[in-house]
This record gives sequence, structure tokens and C-alpha cells, in this order.
Amino acid sequence: QVHLQESGPGLVKPSETLSLTCTVSGYSISSGDYWGWIRQPPGKGLEWIGNIYHNGNTFCKPSLKSRVTISVDTSKNQFPLKLSSVTAADTAVYYCARYSGYRFDSWGQGTLVTVSS
Amino acid sequence: QSALTQPPSASGSPGQSVTISCTGTSSDVGGYNYVSWYQQHPGKAPKVMIYEVSKRPSGVPDRFSGSKSGNTASLTVSGLQTEDEADYYCSSYAGSNILFGGGTKLTVL
Repeated sequence: QVHLQESGPGLVKPSETLSLTCTVSGYSISSGDYWGWIRQPPGKGLEWIGNIYHNGNTFCKPSLKSRVTISVDTSKNQFPLKLSSVTAADTAVYYCARYSGYRFDSWGQGTLVTVSS
Repeated sequence: QSALTQPPSASGSPGQSVTISCTGTSSDVGGYNYVSWYQQHPGKAPKVMIYEVSKRPSGVPDRFSGSKSGNTASLTVSGLQTEDEADYYCSSYAGSNILFGGGTKLTVL
């Protein structure tokens, strides 16, 4: 059974880069499917950030594309997220998930990232 | 592209049925049969309840059903149970983009 776990700093300063890693267990990233990042500001709805395929092919939310970098490390079965030039509006719970068959079918537990000085 | 439009709230009594709508455009909901619905309880990660408009993943009760007409998708929960009280989000593939609805808080009275 696939399991996903987000990790990274819980506090990031404004204008700096948010860096998170999603570690996948029980399933090889190289097996296929897309892998994605979704966030949820406190008390608000879900917002898709972007997806990556095991070969590195990515697609991201257009309004975030200039600040988002998603990569994949098949040797560690991980796919990191970097979001640059953060502001308070980037404060959210960040989830990683598997995107299979045009749906997010397995999710991590989420990690809260707060942007504050 | 804007988020998909959902009503902020819905409610029903135990045993009743409730339907939640999700309105998009011909570029997302209306253009692809890739609408999914997610249930989220407080403090928990979302869980997929419906995918490809009307398919249920293994383990999801058949009380949950989905449909689509034009640019509007719908989630129906029949025979409401107290554990169905949660936030529900629709999502649609939109050609190298993925949209979510704003969410609907379902209250079981």
C-alpha cells in the first residue's frame, strides 16, 4: 500500500524559498503515475500546485508556475517542492499525493508551513 | 482559470439525500470526464470518493454517487449518516491544469 510523508521546515521567512520533500513508500515512483502537491490555507479550500511524472515532466498551476520547482529523485523515491519568494499568502498545510487515473488517490498527512518573520 | 463553483454549505437529516453541485466551464468540467470528489474531515487529509465523474473507488459506500450535465457536476449522498458530515471538494482536470472547487460543508442535522 502506498504511503506518502511530507517533511520540511514549518516556518519560513518572507521572500525566502519554501522547501518540502515528499517521501513515498510501498510503491516505486518509477512505476508510473504523476505525483502532486496541493495546499490548503488555514480555514480555506484546496489549491493544486503542480504535478511531476517519474521522468521529470511537470505541469503546474499557471499562477504559481514562475515560483514553483518540482523535481523527482527516483533513487530516494522522493519528489521535492520548492516555492520561491514566499509571502504570508503562502501559509498553508501542504499535501503531497499520487495522481493516478486523473484523481489524487493517496495523500500524505500534510504539513503546516507558516510564512512569518 | 478560476476555481470551480460549489455552494458553501449543504445539509440534511440522517437517512435523507443531499446533492452538491460543482460548476465549471467547457474548458474543465464540461470538456473532460475527469471530475473527482474528495471528502475531508477536520484535521485530516482529503479522501477521494468519486472519480471520472461517477466511479467509486473500492471501499467507498454506494451511498455516494456522481453525475455530470454540461458544465456542472454533482455529488449525491443518499441515506445520510452522521459520519458523512465533512467538507467536500470537487476537482476537474483541465488540460495541463487541475482545478478544485471552493468546498462545501455538509452538515448532518
